[in-house]
Amino acid sequence: EPEVTQTPSHQVTQMGQEVILRCVPISNHLYFYWYRQILGQKVEFLVSFYNNEISEKSEIFDDQFSVERPDGSNFTLKIRSTKLEDSAMYFCASSLRTGGRETQYFGPGTRLLVL
Amino acid sequence: ELKVEQNPLFLSMQEGKNYTIYCNYSTTSDRLYWYRQDPGKSLESLFVLLSNGAVKQEGRLMASLDTKARLSTLHITAAVHDLSATYFCAVALTEKLTFGTGTRLTIIP
Repeated sequence: EPEVTQTPSHQVTQMGQEVILRCVPISNHLYFYWYRQILGQKVEFLVSFYNNEISEKSEIFDDQFSVERPDGSNFTLKIRSTKLEDSAMYFCASSLRTGGRETQYFGPGTRLLVL
Repeated sequence: ELKVEQNPLFLSMQEGKNYTIYCNYSTTSDRLYWYRQDPGKSLESLFVLLSNGAVKQEGRLMASLDTKARLSTLHITAAVHDLSATYFCAVALTEKLTFGTGTRLTIIP
C-alpha cells in the first residue's frame, strides 16, 4: 500500500541553524501538508501546498518557514533559523484532492530537537 | 476561530467494556475525521464522516456525526488491549485539519 515517507526520522540541531525536513508524498496525490505536534500536545496545521504554491498557512508558519517541491517527488519544509520552541514532531501529509473531503495520509514524522 | 474539544482527555477502561469518546466543535462543518496515534508513531486514519447522520464502523469502533449538534462520537465496543492508543478527531473547514485535544485510551486487562 502506498505511503508517505519522511526523512530523517530524528534531527538534532543547534539553535539558529537551518534544517530541512524531507517528505515523499504518495505518488498520485496532488495536495501536500505539514503539521507539527509538540510533545504531549495536539497536532497543529502549518501549511498546505498545491500546484507549486502555498494554498493556506497558519500563523505558526512565519518567515522562518518555507516549503518547496524541488522535483516531482519530494516536498520539503525548511526552517531558516531554528528556535528552541521549534522542537516538535513534524508530520507531512498528502491527499488526492482537497476541499477537506479526502483523507489526508500522514507520514511517520521527523522528530526535531533544537538545543 | 474553529475550536475542537474532546472528552475525556484520558480514559482507562477494562477489557470487554463499552465506552464513548466525544468530539465537539465550534463552527458548522460536515467534514470530520478520526485518527489513531500510537506512542511515538504517526497518525492512522480511522474514519471519514462527510454528512450529517453519517455512521461508520470498523471492527470494535463506530463513529458518528451530528452536524447540527456539532458533535461526533467514537464508540468502542467490548474493548481489547490492542485499542490502547490516543484518538484524535479533526474537523475540516478549508483544506487544513483542526485537531482536537486527543483522548488517551488505556485498556486494562
